[in-house]
Order: sequence, then C-alpha cells, then structure tokens
Amino acid sequence: TQLLEQSPQFLSIQEGENLTVYCNSSSVFSSLQWYRQEPGEGPVLLVTVVTGGEVKKLKRLTFQFGDARKDSSLHITAAQPGDTGLYLCAGAGTASKLTFGTGTRLQVTL
Amino acid sequence: DTGVSQDPRHKITKRGQNVTFRCDPISEHNRLYWYRQTLGQGPEFLTYFQNEAQLEKSRLLSDRFSAERPKGSFSTLEIQRTEQGDSAMYLCASSLYRGPSYEQYFGPGTRLTVT
Repeated sequence: TQLLEQSPQFLSIQEGENLTVYCNSSSVFSSLQWYRQEPGEGPVLLVTVVTGGEVKKLKRLTFQFGDARKDSSLHITAAQPGDTGLYLCAGAGTASKLTFGTGTRLQVTL
Repeated sequence: DTGVSQDPRHKITKRGQNVTFRCDPISEHNRLYWYRQTLGQGPEFLTYFQNEAQLEKSRLLSDRFSAERPKGSFSTLEIQRTEQGDSAMYLCASSLYRGPSYEQYFGPGTRLTVT
C-alpha cells in the first residue's frame, strides 16, 4: 500500500510569512500532483511534477519533486489570506489512480 | 467546457435508502475516477473507468456500491441500502493521458449525509 504523509497537518501564520509543506513516502511515484481544496468544494489542481529533482514555480508557490520521486515540497513565499485552504499532495502510480496525503490545513491571517 | 460537474451537490437520506450520484467529465477526457473523502482526510480512490470499461475497483467499494459509465461519457455511482458510515463527500475526477502523468481534474463533489 502506498502511503503519503504530509507535514505539518495544521499551519497558522500571518500574512507575509513564508512556509513549507512536506509530502513524504516510501514509494516511488510516476508523477506527483498538488491540489488546494476549499471547504465544501473539490480539489483544484495546482501543479504536476514528473521528473526527479524537478522544480516548478507558480507565482509565489514553488514545488519540488525529490530526486528519487518519493517526496515533494511546496514552498509559499509571502503568504496571503487568499492562500488559506487545504493543501493535498497526491502520487500517481502505474495504475494512474491517485494516492492522497492527509493534507495540510493552512490559515493565513492579516 | 467549464470542467467536471456533479449532481446533486448535497444529498440527505435516511439509512437504508438508495442514492445515485451523477458525474459529467470534461468532454474530451477518456478516464473518469470516483473518490470518497471523509472529514479531515484526503480523498480515497474508489474506482475508475477508461471510456466505458471499469478497470479497477478499490476494496473500499462494497457490494452495495455500483458505478457505471454506459456510453463512455457521464458516470453514475449508486449506493444501495445506505449506512451512516457512507456519509462523506463523493468526488469525481476526469483525465486525459498526457505523457507520463494523468492530470486529474475534480468536480465540486456530492456531500452525502445519511441520517
């Protein structure tokens, strides 16, 4: 069974601070996707990383895929209240179904 | 095309009743997935289709659950004899193969409450 552990589970920070969310597994994934989910809504895809060591940037968000394709991180620079939400990493295996992490709930206050 | 849609958004039912949910994927997507998400957890895979063929079912999908995608377009998920433990958000996603990754796009979900 492939498991993805995210840390931290909860994060409450003030506007302007930086943060990093980690997603770790003992399994290798063919790709890894990051989603953000608002209460009562479905997850919204932020980015897909495929190659070991890959780094992708989306405005103030930086995503990195580990060299061994077992782990990933999401770094947010100068967080804003609009970044508040549940951040989920999800690994795709050979069967293409996604295995989700437990999520990191981020609260950004003014 | 505005994305994946699901209907209804909310469903409240009494224990023992049957319920059916519908998912309309992004039109050119050939793969369709169902997931279940309980409070405080990430989504868990239930089943997926490639076109009209159901290719994999999770052990989470008991005999009371059945999913169909009759014409390779929309899909339905039926739960028979609902139990309180079935209360969850049911999410549908669709994807189109792009190289080594299948990017999955999710609908807004159907929130089921079994009383």
